[in-house]
Amino acid sequence: EAQVTQNPRYLITVTGKKLTVTCSQNMNHEYMSWYRQDPGLGLRQIYYSMNVEVTDKGDVPEGYKVSRKEKRNFPLILESPSPNQTSLYFCASSFQDRAGYTFGSGTRLTVV
Amino acid sequence: GESVGLHLPTLSVQEGDNSIINCAYSNSASDYFIWYKQESGKGPQFIIDIRSNMDKRQGQRVTVLLNKTVKHLSLQIAATQPGDSAVYFCAERPGGYNKLIFGAGTRLAVHP
Repeated sequence: EAQVTQNPRYLITVTGKKLTVTCSQNMNHEYMSWYRQDPGLGLRQIYYSMNVEVTDKGDVPEGYKVSRKEKRNFPLILESPSPNQTSLYFCASSFQDRAGYTFGSGTRLTVV
Repeated sequence: GESVGLHLPTLSVQEGDNSIINCAYSNSASDYFIWYKQESGKGPQFIIDIRSNMDKRQGQRVTVLLNKTVKHLSLQIAATQPGDSAVYFCAERPGGYNKLIFGAGTRLAVHP
């Protein structure tokens, strides 16, 4: 089945403890992206990647890192999480020339 | 399920009626417009897209209308079913950029 897989689905962590949210897609998509979703603010782009080893900042990149060493994987790294990073996170992918993304099921992160 | 918004506008319809969800967009240079459906606990799911050089596109039970003069996008759902209950987001892709800008969303509630 063609899909974007995120792990974990739920995560509770403490301020300052580094964490990684994994994202993997099996559709050979060139483009991958991370979004966060917050009530009243909608979906906002954190980082995106046009292809392997090509990444760039989105609208809200502060406090996040990403890497794209392989085409299928695009992990989101929080080096020192803070409570304002408590949110619902989505990974998405698409072919380069398509506007419609395929989204993962989301990761609910709580930083206490 | 995951909360996607506490104060979203809600459209309530009777099962079998047609639904019209509206969206205003901001960027005249956007080249694609997309509608997504998000059910509780799931990631956004692609419904239909339309290029900026079109004014109407039809899918299965859905029609998207684009009015560039007033920067307005609408999604029409024919014979609305209980399974259509979800939050609906419009998104635009600014020309030349690999990102989607999402609207705040509208909650569709279908009553028997």
